[in-house]
Amino acid sequence: DGGITQSPKYLFRKEGQNVTLSCEQNLNHDAMYWYRQDPGQGLRLIYYSQIVNDFQKGDIAEGYSVSREKKESFPLTVTSAQKNPTAFYLCASSPPRLRGTDTQYFGPGTRLTVL
Amino acid sequence: AQSVTQLDSQVPVFEEAPVELRCNYSSSVSVYLFWYVQYPNQGLQLLLKYLSGSTLVKGINGFEAEFNKSQTSFHLRKPSVHISDTAEYFCAVSDPGGTSYGKLTFGQGTILTVHP
Repeated sequence: DGGITQSPKYLFRKEGQNVTLSCEQNLNHDAMYWYRQDPGQGLRLIYYSQIVNDFQKGDIAEGYSVSREKKESFPLTVTSAQKNPTAFYLCASSPPRLRGTDTQYFGPGTRLTVL
Repeated sequence: AQSVTQLDSQVPVFEEAPVELRCNYSSSVSVYLFWYVQYPNQGLQLLLKYLSGSTLVKGINGFEAEFNKSQTSFHLRKPSVHISDTAEYFCAVSDPGGTSYGKLTFGQGTILTVHP
């Protein structure tokens, strides 16, 4: 089955530790995205990548880092510089824009709790 | 810059009643519009989208939405809801002519609660 997987589903870390969230897709999509979701605030874009070895900051990139070494993978690192990292993190991907649509497909999410 | 406003943060409704979830957007250019649904502790699932053509768009699970360019709205409707429709719903917009590759701007979400 084609889709997006995120692991782990729940993650607990101590304050001051870096943590990496995994996102893998087998949809052959070019673009991938990371969002943060907090209650009542909708989804806020952290980083996005249009192509391998290239990525851009979104609206709330401070305290986060990403890499895009493979088309299928777009891991997100939450660093100790992120002041309030406890949140639900969603990864998404979208097909080439030449197909005339900006539809994004989402993974199941990772809930990060920093103690 | 684009923005999306979902006018109701919570909408309670009884089972089998009709429902409308309201979404307004602001943009100086033509847009693509989307509605997504999120069940608790899950990712987002696409309900429907407007790209062009007919302003009435039908989606999954019996939902439909109408694009109104003059009012810059894209309200979501269902004539008869079920308990299983209880979820959070997000409206989103993108700029098909922009340089920001496929970026979506989301509203704050509307929690639909269907009571028996």
